[in-house]
Amino acid sequence: KQEVTQIPAALSVPEGENLVLNCSFTDSAIYNLQWFRQDPGKGLTSLLLIQSSQREQTSGRLNASLDKSSGRSTLYIAASQPGDSATYLCAVEVNYGQNFVFGPGTRLSVLP
Amino acid sequence: ETGVTQTPRHLVMGMTNKKSLKCEQHLGHNAMYWYKQSAKKPLELMFVYSLEERVENNSVPSRFSPECPNSSHLFLHLHTLQPEDSALYLCASSQDGAGGGYGYTFGSGTRLTVV
Repeated sequence: KQEVTQIPAALSVPEGENLVLNCSFTDSAIYNLQWFRQDPGKGLTSLLLIQSSQREQTSGRLNASLDKSSGRSTLYIAASQPGDSATYLCAVEVNYGQNFVFGPGTRLSVLP
Repeated sequence: ETGVTQTPRHLVMGMTNKKSLKCEQHLGHNAMYWYKQSAKKPLELMFVYSLEERVENNSVPSRFSPECPNSSHLFLHLHTLQPEDSALYLCASSQDGAGGGYGYTFGSGTRLTVV
């Protein structure tokens, strides 16, 4: 059974810092991995999708990497801003035709 | 409208009430999902509809009843709920019923409180 963990559970940083969020999964046979952002009480916003054949994806200040063999993905946020404060979730799709398994999320606070 | 729209945004209901949650997607996707998000717990998949047929039901109690009349609309009918069913209910859609290589698009959710 696929299990997804995220470290740290919570993170508080001053504005301007570069930071890394970690996601680990137990079964390396994934179809793709997706990072989401969730603001309190709101739905999920897709940030980056990495297909199994890819190593990384970039969007603006965000960069996500994927190492299938080790069961890890990292989300790198450059020059963090208070508006980045949210919960960040990673989810893996275990083979085509099955659905995403979500991690518990990392709650990020960026202080002005 | 674009994306995935959920209504209502907030719902308070008694344990003997019957209510329905609605989800509509304007993306041309062929799969839709219901997820439950409880406090301090990962998202839990409840139901999957692919090409309007239910393909997965993760042992959800029968007091939750999904309906997918067409590829653009998804409902979750609720009856005789329990206080522990209070949660954020999220709808998502995708292409090909498996993320399709393009991932999910989520709605904003319905915050349900059972009193």
